Amino acid sequence: AQSVTQLDSQVPVFEEAPVELRCNYSSSVSVYLFWYVQYPNQGLQLLLKYLSGSTLVESINGFEAEFNKSQTSFHLRKPSVHISDTAEYFCAVPGSGSYQLTFGKGTKLSVIP
Amino acid sequence: NAGVTQTPKFRILKIGQSMTLQCTQDMNHNYMYWYRQDPGMGLKLIYYSVGAGITDKGEVPNGYNVSRSTTEDFPLRLELAAPSQTSVYFCASSQGGLPIGEQYFGPGTRLTVT
Repeated sequence: AQSVTQLDSQVPVFEEAPVELRCNYSSSVSVYLFWYVQYPNQGLQLLLKYLSGSTLVESINGFEAEFNKSQTSFHLRKPSVHISDTAEYFCAVPGSGSYQLTFGKGTKLSVIP
Repeated sequence: NAGVTQTPKFRILKIGQSMTLQCTQDMNHNYMYWYRQDPGMGLKLIYYSVGAGITDKGEVPNGYNVSRSTTEDFPLRLELAAPSQTSVYFCASSQGGLPIGEQYFGPGTRLTVT
């Protein structure tokens, strides 16, 4: 079964500064990767996903993530963060069953005004 | 569409009590899931269902039961509540299985067992 590691539990960053949230996965034959976001007191929402094709995937709100096979990473980046980006971000991979997701422990992004 | 709805939002249980967490989706999704979220631990899958009448265990099923009599509803039952079951519980659904099926999450139920 695949596993995923999020290296930072908390990331504080000033508004309009760039941010990178790190995610590494255990290698596997088939690689599908997801980033979910959880805003305060809400459920998770899909932010972006990599299934195949271009290694750079983008979300509608300015985040992007790059699939790097050699480094087994799928880091999430944004060039300029806003207060509204304050949330917890989860990296996920398919779990041991065909229908399961295995989530990382999450990274709390705090944007400081 | 309301999406995935969960009731109640909050609940406090005494040790040994039972309760059912309700989950309903109106997107006609075949797949439904129950997760628990503990601080700093991410989400753990409790049970999932690939259609009405079909359920299976996830990573942490002990102490829980589920049923799926309709496409829309996927209740989670706690029979004998224990402090270790203090957590936030999320229900989710998806149209298809992985890897294509995006999972849609409800707002969660915050459960405290004392």
